[in-house]
Amino acid sequence: GQNIDQPTEMTATEGAIVQINCTYQTSGFNGLFWYQQHAGEAPTFLSYNVLDGLEEKGRFSSFLSRSKGYSYLLLKELQMKDSASYLCAVRVAGNTPLVFGKGTRLSVIA
Amino acid sequence: KAGVTQTPRYLIKTRGQQVTLSCSPISGHRSVSWYQQTPGQGLQFLFEYFSETQRNKGNFPGRFSGRQFSNSRSEMNVSTLELGDSALYLCASSLQSSAGGETQYFGPGTRLLVL
Repeated sequence: GQNIDQPTEMTATEGAIVQINCTYQTSGFNGLFWYQQHAGEAPTFLSYNVLDGLEEKGRFSSFLSRSKGYSYLLLKELQMKDSASYLCAVRVAGNTPLVFGKGTRLSVIA
Repeated sequence: KAGVTQTPRYLIKTRGQQVTLSCSPISGHRSVSWYQQTPGQGLQFLFEYFSETQRNKGNFPGRFSGRQFSNSRSEMNVSTLELGDSALYLCASSLQSSAGGETQYFGPGTRLLVL
């Protein structure tokens, strides 16, 4: 089967940097997505990685190492509004549905 | 451009009943996927429709079914509801299909409570 692991919960301080890790063991790989989901709301797209390396988008960056089956989402200059669940999802092959991890609930404290 | 819309937003049913949920994708999007989200299991894939055809199906019992109309709107139906069906049901649309880097855009979900 397909397996995607993320920490269940993390806590970080406002203004700090936090790294949310995601490891995957899947039968194939055709891209990795990160979504943000605030409580009671829809997941919203944050980033997509298909090649190794770092993708930067404002305060958020995402890194991928395909050889290690590993990705992380880096959030800088944390704000209270960043308190949310962060979902890692892998597309195993073209035209197949995304496989999601169970999500990491991030709490940003003052 | 309007986002993905889902109706109803909240629903309470009793065991044994059936329910139909509706999803309207972003205009121009032809692929619609359905997911079930629960605290214990996270987001689990139900099925995907593309051009009115079911393209992919997850590991859910036959009580869960869906369809897509010519205007890309989609419905999912759950028959003979069980307590364990209580969940947030999310619909996501994408432009062509769930391929490669195609981004899926999620609706706000329908929260179903089965009593």
